[in-house]
Amino acid sequence: QQQVKQSPQSLIVQKGGISIINCAYENTAFDYFPWYQQFPGKGPALLIAIRPDVSEKKEGRFTISFNKSAKQFSLHIMDSQPGDSATYFCAASIGTGGFKTIFGAGTRLFVKA
Amino acid sequence: DAEITQSPRHKITETGRQVTLACHQTWNHNNMFWYRQDLGHGLRLIHYSYGVQDTNKGEVSDGYSVSRSNTEDLPLTLESAASSQTSVYFCASSITTGELFFGEGSRLTVL
Repeated sequence: QQQVKQSPQSLIVQKGGISIINCAYENTAFDYFPWYQQFPGKGPALLIAIRPDVSEKKEGRFTISFNKSAKQFSLHIMDSQPGDSATYFCAASIGTGGFKTIFGAGTRLFVKA
Repeated sequence: DAEITQSPRHKITETGRQVTLACHQTWNHNNMFWYRQDLGHGLRLIHYSYGVQDTNKGEVSDGYSVSRSNTEDLPLTLESAASSQTSVYFCASSITTGELFFGEGSRLTVL
C-alpha cells in the first residue's frame, strides 16, 4: 500500500516532442506529490509538486496532471530539449517535512537532438 | 550559500569493515534523511531524524545506524559492510514545505 509505481523505465523522445511519465499510488493518505529531476553524478532536485486539491499544475514546460479518483498522476514535458535528459522520480508523501516520502523507481529520459 | 555536503564521494571497502558516510548541512534544517539509490528501486529511506538526539528507522534500516548530536550533521554508519550494501547513498534535509534538498551522493562499493 506504500508503493508508488512509475512507468516507463526509460523513454526516448525527439527534440520538441512531449515526454510523458506516469505514476500510480495506493495509499489514499498521500497528500503531496512531488517530481524530482536527477542529472548524472548529482542528487535529485525538486522539479514541480502538486497537492490533491487541484487536477493540474503547470510551471513553464512542465505540467503535472493529477487524477485523484484513479490514484494516478503524470508529468508532461512540453517541447522537450536535450537538456531535459535526466532521470525523473515521482514521489508521494503524507504531510510536509519530507517524512514518509515514497519514491517511484525512476524514468531515464533521453531527448534526441 | 547554504548547502548539504557528503563525504567521501567515492569509497571502496571490504566485506566486514565498518564504514561511516558523513553528511553536513548548513541550512539549519531540523529534518535529515539518508536514502540509498539502486537501479530499479528508486530511492529507499534508510534512517531519518527530526532533530538533535532523535533518530528513526526507515524501510531498509538493517545493517545501518545513525546518530544526531547536532543540527548540522547526520553520519551514516555501516557496522559490518556487506556486498548488498554496494549502492549510491544520498543525504537530504527538509523543513516543512515538503521539499527535500539532496546532497550529491556517496558511491560505496563493498568487495
